[in-house]
Amino acid sequence: QSALTQPPSASGSPGQSVTISCTGTSSDVGGYNYVSWYQQHPGKAPKLIIYEVSKRPSGVPDRFSGSKSGNTASLTVSGLQAEDEADYYCNSLAGDINVFGSGTKVTVL
Amino acid sequence: QLQLQESGPGLVKPSETLSLTCTVSGGSISGSAYYWDWIRQPPGKGLEWIGNIHYSGSTYYNPSLESRVTMSVDTSKRQFSLRLSSVTAADTAVYYCARHPSGSRYRFEDWGQGTLVSVSS
Repeated sequence: QSALTQPPSASGSPGQSVTISCTGTSSDVGGYNYVSWYQQHPGKAPKLIIYEVSKRPSGVPDRFSGSKSGNTASLTVSGLQAEDEADYYCNSLAGDINVFGSGTKVTVL
Repeated sequence: QLQLQESGPGLVKPSETLSLTCTVSGGSISGSAYYWDWIRQPPGKGLEWIGNIHYSGSTYYNPSLESRVTMSVDTSKRQFSLRLSSVTAADTAVYYCARHPSGSRYRFEDWGQGTLVSVSS
């Protein structure tokens, strides 16, 4: 099972929006509505921010939103803030197992 | 509040077996509600799911690592463990323990802080 494809980097100015893509296949992203997204700050453990494509855990700001079309899922961060600068990873169910994306570094300019 | 804490040697020699333990506090490891996972991250690289174990002892492993992975659980100690055999430098990584609710299809809600394991002679 290969890693899902994400752009290595994305950036935006404070207050702007940034969208990160996560491309897989019909065996993972396209086959299930079980895509999640994780935020990871340097030296820290990942934190769940989106699950089941578009649901937010309690406490996650509504600036974070998720969607999916075909074999590609997307994470949008609206109203960028300095603390949003981090690495972001998608994850998808793939049959009995799961697979992570390659990761995207988001820079707040 | 649930806490997960990894422990084990920070340095392992090539061809030997890596052994890590995750201790659960602030919650129960028993019961059907959760699966307990291991995930790793090589320095500067992305995340890789290694596998998981249920308190009943049932396991799921990443096919890419399955031949070298063994997981176990000790409910009396509130611990679950990972053994990875025949390690090479490619196994150098931060190893995280985590958990996901049964039926959630890998929604990793809680994570340990991670522990760096280096493979070197």
